Formats: sequence, structure tokens, C-alpha cells
Amino acid sequence: QSVLTQPPSVSAAPGQKVTISCSGSTSNIGNNYVSWYRHLPGTAPKLLIYENNKRPSGIPDRFSGSKSGTSATLGITGLQTGDEADYYCGTWDSSLSAVVFGGGTKLTVL
Amino acid sequence: EVQLVESGGGLVQPGGSLRLSCAASGFTFSGYSLNWVRQAPGKGLEWVSYITGSSRTKYYADSVKGRFTISRDNAKNSLYLQMNSLRDEDTAVYYCARDMGSGWANDHWGQGTMVTVSS
Repeated sequence: QSVLTQPPSVSAAPGQKVTISCSGSTSNIGNNYVSWYRHLPGTAPKLLIYENNKRPSGIPDRFSGSKSGTSATLGITGLQTGDEADYYCGTWDSSLSAVVFGGGTKLTVL
Repeated sequence: EVQLVESGGGLVQPGGSLRLSCAASGFTFSGYSLNWVRQAPGKGLEWVSYITGSSRTKYYADSVKGRFTISRDNAKNSLYLQMNSLRDEDTAVYYCARDMGSGWANDHWGQGTMVTVSS
């Protein structure tokens, strides 16, 4: 059971938009920055969003992040088949003194 | 170019030990905190441990506390994870990741090394 809660899967058609939610508590999301990662098992995870809504260089503006209270959301517009992957949210949990990740969301582009 | 290359994985019996290494290049190694993160087969990412650039501060997940030890050698640009009393549930791909110094985000990751704990 992950400290952060994500939907196990989401799907949408090519060209459409999808959002992935990440729910936590005041000890993690509520008082710390959230980051988002894309991961294909067996490969290196890739940072998409840091500090809730900032994109590292090289990440297209199709990817966006937001945070409200104890929840965060990753948005992906203009979906491509290449976006199919597992997506994870992550943050610091001040009560646990630990980095915590969500359980991951598998994105399928139909 | 930032590179992180893990090594040291393999097959080990329950109760055994293994030491993972992560060789870094392309950045000022001592200036960054680092993490170990793992992914068990069919499971999600799980954070394992964190160490600051000076090694002054270290954190561990409850699941490995008392069994795993994180360390680094800034002269060798290397990160380590000493894993003792290994259990079946420690079977996973282990990644080293660089903390970008903002919001606990990791901006560079290695390709991972597989650890299999089995008799």
C-alpha cells in the first residue's frame, strides 16, 4: 500500500488529453513539492515535472503539473503512442522522513 | 553528459549480502545528494535510501533500515549500497538517482542493476 494514491490505469485516444491524480496527506503533498516521472520497466525513469509544475529542459509543454492541498495532478495533452508508460508521483514525507512514491499509473493510448 | 552506472547486482541466497555500486560522471559529484530506488517484479517504484553530498545525512526506508547501509566516496565519484540479511522481498532492479537539489526530485537515473534473492 503506497503512501500516495494513484489510479492504477488511465487511457485515452491519440491526440487527446489525460490527467493522472496523486492523492496524499499534509505530511507529504500538503507541505512538500511534488515531482512526476515516466518509466518503462527495465529502463531509467525520466523526470517530467518538479516543484509541482516545473518542467526540466527538454520536456515538452504537453506535460504539465499542478497541486492543490494534498493532491497533485499530471496532465498530458496531444497524446502519442510513445507516451504509453507507467507514471509515478513522488514527494518527501515529513512524518516518515522518507521519499515516497505513488503506486504508479499505467497510461494506455488507444 | 550526466551518467550513472550501477553494478554489483546478481543472485544471492536469503540471508546473504551484496554490495551495489553506482559510478557517476559528468557533474560535480560531491555537490549532489543521491538516492537508491528499487522496483520489484510487477511492482512500482520504491525509494530505498538517501545520502547528502557530505554523507552527513542519511535516510532509509523502514523496509531496509538496519539491514542496508548507504555510503559514498566523493574521491571516486561512487555511491554504494551495502545490503545485508537479504530477503526474498528485496528482489528488484536497483536504480541510483541524482537529487537535483530542489523539491526532492531526481533528475538523472541509472539503468539499474538486478538483485535476485533466492535459494
